[in-house]
Amino acid sequence: EAGVAQSPRYKIIEKRQSVAFWCNPISGHATLYWYQQILGQGPKLLIQFQNNGVVDDSQLPKDRFSAERLKGVDSTLKIQPAKLEDSAVYLCASSLEFRDGYTFGSGTRLTVV
Amino acid sequence: QQQVKQSPQSLIVQKGGISIINCAYENTAFDYFPWYQQFPGKGPALLIAIRPDVSEKKEGRFTISFNKSAKQFSLHIMDSQPGDSATYFCAASLNFGNEKLTFGTGTRLTIIP
Repeated sequence: EAGVAQSPRYKIIEKRQSVAFWCNPISGHATLYWYQQILGQGPKLLIQFQNNGVVDDSQLPKDRFSAERLKGVDSTLKIQPAKLEDSAVYLCASSLEFRDGYTFGSGTRLTVV
Repeated sequence: QQQVKQSPQSLIVQKGGISIINCAYENTAFDYFPWYQQFPGKGPALLIAIRPDVSEKKEGRFTISFNKSAKQFSLHIMDSQPGDSATYFCAASLNFGNEKLTFGTGTRLTIIP
């Protein structure tokens, strides 16, 4: 079984620029999550999709972050404009049924300078 | 009330020893408690999980001990090996894991020969 694919692996941008991350979940996984992991901290949920509908986006900074999951498969997370404090690893995860646990991708490491 | 507090921040254990990581939670409605293992440059991977209707769960060298009245749970790694060196995160969730995971801050475990 192929894992959760994320790209790019690394991205360096200047503050106020925009950036987009892409995630392709495991085939058949209806639930997709984006987490933000700041260095030295645990991951924090940004948004949860069930198929192409949003289940929880209560911690997504909607003035600058947006996410979509077209056709209930892959997903894109965008930051516009980026701030220095957005420097983090952005993790995508998917699950078939939660009791099986999430499967995380390797993440995109974003550095905002 | 959604916090999960994890300790210690870092831990050094000799090969063959027992590694113990502790977590405490506040929200008594949490009903799913997983532990994740994360290697550098990789996403977290589910290690073992427990529900509050049992006090202990063992899988190989890994054991979760759960104390519902104290709102605490811990991970024990028996016969610790250098390959266990990683960052470990506890987490908690509602609705048997069908809602977002709230992660602890992580413990960096180093196993020395």
